[in-house]
Amino acid sequence: EVQLVESGGGVVQPGGSLRLSCGGSGFTFAAYVMHWVRQFPGRGLEWLSLISGDGDDIYYADSVKGRFTISRDNIRNSLYLHMSELRVEDTAFYYCVKDGAGLGFHFDSWGQGALVTVSS
Amino acid sequence: QSALTQPASVSGSPGQSITISCTGTSGDIGAYDYVSWYQQVPGKAPNLLIYDVSNRPSRASIRFSGSKSGNTASLMISELQPEDEAHYYCTAYTRRRTLVFGGGTKVTVL
Repeated sequence: EVQLVESGGGVVQPGGSLRLSCGGSGFTFAAYVMHWVRQFPGRGLEWLSLISGDGDDIYYADSVKGRFTISRDNIRNSLYLHMSELRVEDTAFYYCVKDGAGLGFHFDSWGQGALVTVSS
Repeated sequence: QSALTQPASVSGSPGQSITISCTGTSGDIGAYDYVSWYQQVPGKAPNLLIYDVSNRPSRASIRFSGSKSGNTASLMISELQPEDEAHYYCTAYTRRRTLVFGGGTKVTVL
């Protein structure tokens, strides 16, 4: 069974930084593209970033490009999101998501989410 | 990146079929057959229903089906059941190598 467990959420002041971690199990971690997706308090979903299995290909949404950095450690079966220059509007649940088999990218398995609150 | 456009709400009676639309542009939905759909119930993470426009993972009910025409994708729920009451989201891969979500549709079973 695929399991994804996020950690590292919390409260941070505007302009601050935070690093989210995600541990994967139940699948061959290095074989899959991984994503970060967030959900705002009003329920809207936003894709943030993806990283290829070998870590060579990385893409970001415009809203976080230059502020957020995705990375992975295939030895530790872990995915990371380093967030800097955080803004109040970055407040959301952050999900670690495994891509699925198939031609295009899609979100096959989701973690339980980590809440990030940006507030002074 | 602008979100894909979904109706805010759709409703139907048990046993009926309903369709949720998801409208994008030639730069996303119209560019590739890489549209996926998700169901989210309160307090849970979204769950994959359809990928690559019309493929269904084995764990999803056969009552869910997807299609696409031009810049608009659609999710049909047949034989509507009370447990189908949830929020539904579409997403598409774009020419800019990003993914974009729809705003979500709340399905109500009358």
